[in-house]
Amino acid sequence: DSGVTQTPKHLITATGQRVTLRCSPRSGDLSVYWYQQSLDQGLQFLIQYYNGEERAKGNILERFSAQQFPDLHSELNLSSLELGDSALYFCASSVGQGIKNIQYFGAGTRLSVL
Amino acid sequence: GDSVTQMEGPVTLSEEAFLTINCTYTATGYPSLFWYVQYPGEGLQLLLKATKADDKGSNKGFEATYRKETTSFHLEKGSVQVSDSAVYFCALDMDSNYQLIWGAGTKLIIKP
Repeated sequence: DSGVTQTPKHLITATGQRVTLRCSPRSGDLSVYWYQQSLDQGLQFLIQYYNGEERAKGNILERFSAQQFPDLHSELNLSSLELGDSALYFCASSVGQGIKNIQYFGAGTRLSVL
Repeated sequence: GDSVTQMEGPVTLSEEAFLTINCTYTATGYPSLFWYVQYPGEGLQLLLKATKADDKGSNKGFEATYRKETTSFHLEKGSVQVSDSAVYFCALDMDSNYQLIWGAGTKLIIKP
């Protein structure tokens, strides 16, 4: 158990809908990272937050947004969903904001857009 | 830009066979290198890392040596077990980024 909790484990929804994925980092970790893992594109970094502030942006679509709350949990919002958004979404956390901090991954949320 | 290239999978081996999963990188500078493992139904977890040239990372019988001259970080294990079946990801980081650069992942299947 990595200590990173993601909910829900599975999500099935329809095209055009909006969903929210939730992540609780390990106790004491200030950084949260979001990744998308799809069969054809491997693991893609989406966005990172450190202590409530956005620190780095990767290949995140404009339809997607995220935030980190004062209690350090984070939410990833996906809107106007398309079939191609079906993927595993992982959250990871680390102590600091620098990349040399080891990232601990949650078990992921599997999103299916029908 | 910076990139990581891994050998394509799946790699299928018999139990107790020798394992090599190739990883090469392109980077302007001196990255740190990582291997992460993803067991079925789980998230990724750090397997080993190396932060400078000639460093050897090791964990759970796996080893990888940071070779600057060949820009490689190949993962090896002398005798694999069925429980090693997983997807293995090579990754690098540069100090200037807050994100890891990931390889595509290599699926390893070990048959008893």
